[in-house]
Amino acid sequence: AQTVTQSQPEMSVQEAETVTLSCTYDTSENNYYLFWYKQPPSRQMILVIRQEAYKQQNATENRFSVNFQKAAKSFSLKISDSQLGDTAMYFCAFMRGNTGTASKLTFGTGTRLQVTL
Amino acid sequence: DVKVTQSSRYLVKRTGEKVFLECVQDMDHENMFWYRQDPGLGLRLIYFSYDVKMKEKGDIPEGYSVSREKKERFSLILESASTNQTSMYLCASSTTQPYYGYTFGSGTRLTVV
Repeated sequence: AQTVTQSQPEMSVQEAETVTLSCTYDTSENNYYLFWYKQPPSRQMILVIRQEAYKQQNATENRFSVNFQKAAKSFSLKISDSQLGDTAMYFCAFMRGNTGTASKLTFGTGTRLQVTL
Repeated sequence: DVKVTQSSRYLVKRTGEKVFLECVQDMDHENMFWYRQDPGLGLRLIYFSYDVKMKEKGDIPEGYSVSREKKERFSLILESASTNQTSMYLCASSTTQPYYGYTFGSGTRLTVV
C-alpha cells in the first residue's frame, strides 16, 4: 500500500516571501502521479499542481513549483511571493497509474499554511 | 462551470438515525469517491465507484454503504449513525485518466449527537 507523509502540520510565512512544504511518499510502483491540493477556509479542494512520475522536469504553475526527487521519493511544494490568499490547508496526494478501474488518491495528513502581513 | 455538488453543507443527526449524503456531478465522469476528513488524519477513502451500480470498498468502509443508480449521482449511507462518524465528508469525481486528478465538492460537515 502507498503512504504519503507530510511532516509539517503547520507553517507560517510572511507575505511576499517564499515557503516550501515537504512531502514524502512510499511506493513500489513505477508509474504514478503526484498532486498538491489546496483547501482554503471555504473547504473547496483545489488542484494546485501535478507531476507525472516519468517526467524528470519539475512541474510549475505560476508562483507554485515542485521539487520532485524520484529516487528519494520526495515531492515538495514551493510557493513564491506568498499572498494572503494562499492561506489554506495543503495536501500532498499520490495516485497509481493504469489501475484498470478507478485510480484512487492517497492523501497525506496536510500542512496548514498561514500567510501573515 | 463544471462542478460536484453535495446536497448539504452542514448536517446534524441523532445517534442511530439512517443518514444519506448526496453527491451529484455534471461532468459525465466515470469515477466517484467518498472521503472523510478528520484533523491530523487527512482524507481517508470510504468507498468509490467506477461505473453505475459498481462499487468498491476503500480504506475505512465499516459503518457505511453507497449507492450509484445513475452515473451522475453517488450517495453515501450511514446505516445507523454513531458519534464517531462525526466528520467532514468530501465527494469527488474523476475521468478514467489519472493525470487530471479529482474534482471535489465543497464538503458536508456532519455532526452526530
